[in-house]
Amino acid sequence: SQQGEEDPQALSIQEGENATMNCSYKTSINNLQWYRQNSGRGLVHLILIRSNEREKHSGRLRVTLDTSKKSSSLLITASRAADTASYFCATEGGSYIPTFGRGTSLIVHP
Amino acid sequence: GAVVSQHPSWVICKSGTSVKIECRSLDFQATTMFWYRQFPKQSLMLMATSNEGSKATYEQGVEKDKFLINHASLTLSTLTVTSAHPEDSSFYICSAAGLAGVEQYFGPGTRLTVT
Repeated sequence: SQQGEEDPQALSIQEGENATMNCSYKTSINNLQWYRQNSGRGLVHLILIRSNEREKHSGRLRVTLDTSKKSSSLLITASRAADTASYFCATEGGSYIPTFGRGTSLIVHP
Repeated sequence: GAVVSQHPSWVICKSGTSVKIECRSLDFQATTMFWYRQFPKQSLMLMATSNEGSKATYEQGVEKDKFLINHASLTLSTLTVTSAHPEDSSFYICSAAGLAGVEQYFGPGTRLTVT
């Protein structure tokens, strides 16, 4: 299975702190994507990182990919209360159908 | 960016009835649409993949006669939950892939409650 597994399952931090979430997977991938989901809502695409890329940035988000360790991390810098959500990684192999992990529930306290 | 809508956003129905959920790509043509189910505090589980004009491909363990999928056009796919039961209560999310097929765009989801 290519299912990503996020770690930690839950993360609680104070506003202004950085939040780091990790994702591990089992087989080779073409790309890995991070999504955000607010409670009871659909998914919002954050970043796509391809297998030949090691790091990508988007605003306060930084994603790394280590294909040798089959892992990725999502760093949110200077977190805000509005960042409170669940974050999922999704891995894609040859079919371009993403397989989702269980997600990390992030709570940012104001 | 690309927008995908779902209708309805939430629905309550009685056990034994059927419910239809629509997924539309509003500003792009979606050759492939995906249907996911998500239980509370769980991950998204792929139910089926539908391609315009052809039969949907269902994931293992998903009953195709219970979850009818129709992808009649490049902008619309429907999921019909037939003879719904309380255990079908879940959050159903669709996504659509454009012609490039790499990135998927997700709908806002439909909350189904079967009483």
